Amino acid sequence: GIQVEQSPPDLILQEGANSTLRCNFSDSVNNLQWFHQNPWGQLINLFYIPSGTKQNGRLSATTVATERYSLLYISSSQTTDSGVYFCAVEYGNKLVFGAGTILRVKS
Amino acid sequence: DTEVTQTPKHLVMGMTNKKSLKCEQHMGHRAMYWYKQKAKKPPELMFVYSYEKLSINESVPSRFSPECPNSSLLNLHLHALQPEDSALYLCASSQAHGSSTDTQYFGPGTRLTVL
Repeated sequence: GIQVEQSPPDLILQEGANSTLRCNFSDSVNNLQWFHQNPWGQLINLFYIPSGTKQNGRLSATTVATERYSLLYISSSQTTDSGVYFCAVEYGNKLVFGAGTILRVKS
Repeated sequence: DTEVTQTPKHLVMGMTNKKSLKCEQHMGHRAMYWYKQKAKKPPELMFVYSYEKLSINESVPSRFSPECPNSSLLNLHLHALQPEDSALYLCASSQAHGSSTDTQYFGPGTRLTVL
C-alpha cells in the first residue's frame, strides 16, 4: 500500500511566526487534501490540491505530484491555528491519512 | 451548506448495550463514510456507502453494523462493544466515491466510551 509521511510530527510556534508542514507520499495519487483537526475533534478541509499551488488567507499549499510531496504554509500563526494537521491522499478508492503534525501556537 | 451533522456528540455505553450513531448531510452527496479515530492517531476508514449501497467494508467486526436508509442518512449500529472500541467516530460525505476530483467533508464526530 501507499505510505504517507508527515513532518515534523510536533511543532511549537510563537504567535506570529511562520511554518511549513510537509507531506511525502510513496506512489502516484488521484488527489490530496489537507485537513486541520481542532481540539474538539472536528476535521476541517483546508485544501483539495492534487497539484499546483492554492492560497486561502494566511494558509497556502503546494503539491508537486511528480516528486510526490505537498507543503502547507502557515503565515503569521495564531493560537487558533493549534491542533493537528493531516494530509490525506486518495489511493485505491480510499482516503489514506498521514500520521499528522501536532501544532501548538503559544501567545 | 457544507455541513455534515452527527448525533450524539458523546456516548457512554456498557458492553451489553445496543446503541446507534447517526450522520446526516444535505449536500446531495452520494457517498458516505464511517471512520474510527483513536487518540493521537489518524482516522481509519471503516465503511463506504456509494449510492446507498455498501461498497467498502474494511474488515470491521460484526458488532459494528452500518445502515444507509437514504442518500442523506447514515447510521452505525453498535452492539456488544469492547472497551477497546472507545474512540472518536467520524462520518464524512463526498459527491461521488472514487472520483478523482472528490473532496470529503467530515462531521464533528461522536466520542464513544465503552465501559
